[in-house]
Amino acid sequence: QKEVEQNSGPLSVPEGAIASLNCTYSDRGSQSFFWYRQYSGKSPELIMFIYSNGDKEDGRFTAQLNKASQYVSLLIRDSQPSDSATYLCAVRLGYGGSQGNLIFGKGTKLSVKP
Amino acid sequence: GAVVSQHPSWVICKSGTSVKIECRSLDFQATTMFWYRQFPKQSLMLMATSNEGSKATYEQGVEKDKFLINHASLTLSTLTVTSAHPEDSSFYICSASVGLGTDTQYFGPGTRLTVL
Repeated sequence: QKEVEQNSGPLSVPEGAIASLNCTYSDRGSQSFFWYRQYSGKSPELIMFIYSNGDKEDGRFTAQLNKASQYVSLLIRDSQPSDSATYLCAVRLGYGGSQGNLIFGKGTKLSVKP
Repeated sequence: GAVVSQHPSWVICKSGTSVKIECRSLDFQATTMFWYRQFPKQSLMLMATSNEGSKATYEQGVEKDKFLINHASLTLSTLTVTSAHPEDSSFYICSASVGLGTDTQYFGPGTRLTVL
């Protein structure tokens, strides 16, 4: 059973702080990693993806990947109340056929307090 | 770019009826479309994957005779929930990718189905 684990939260941070969201995955052969944001009652929207070990920055967001530890994280700097949402980690095993499907974690609910 | 639409955004139907949900990629050609279902406070569960012009691939436990998927063109896929029952009430979300499941998936806004 291929699994993606996230702490369900809620994770509460004050406005302006750094929010750190974590995700672990079970299949060591996983190739691609995605972070989606989902507001209540809405569908997920892509924040960023990462394929290689290390950090990848995009604006206030930084994704960190450590394949040896099977761990991927998302940092949100200068958190804003509008960042309050559920953050979904998704993992893709490989390429082609069912390997190309995304496996989602249950999400971490983030609450940014003004 | 990469906009995916769904119609309807919500639907209420009586038990035993069928409901069709459309998923369209508006500004790109989607080789692969995915259908997910999400129950409250749960994560997205993949139901099936469809490639244009071929039969959908269903995930284990998803009844293909109940959830009919048609991917007639590179911009349109439909999901028909046949003989709907209250337990089928859920949030149905489609996504589309340009490549054969290798590229980023872009999600539609979802369809909330309530079966009375």
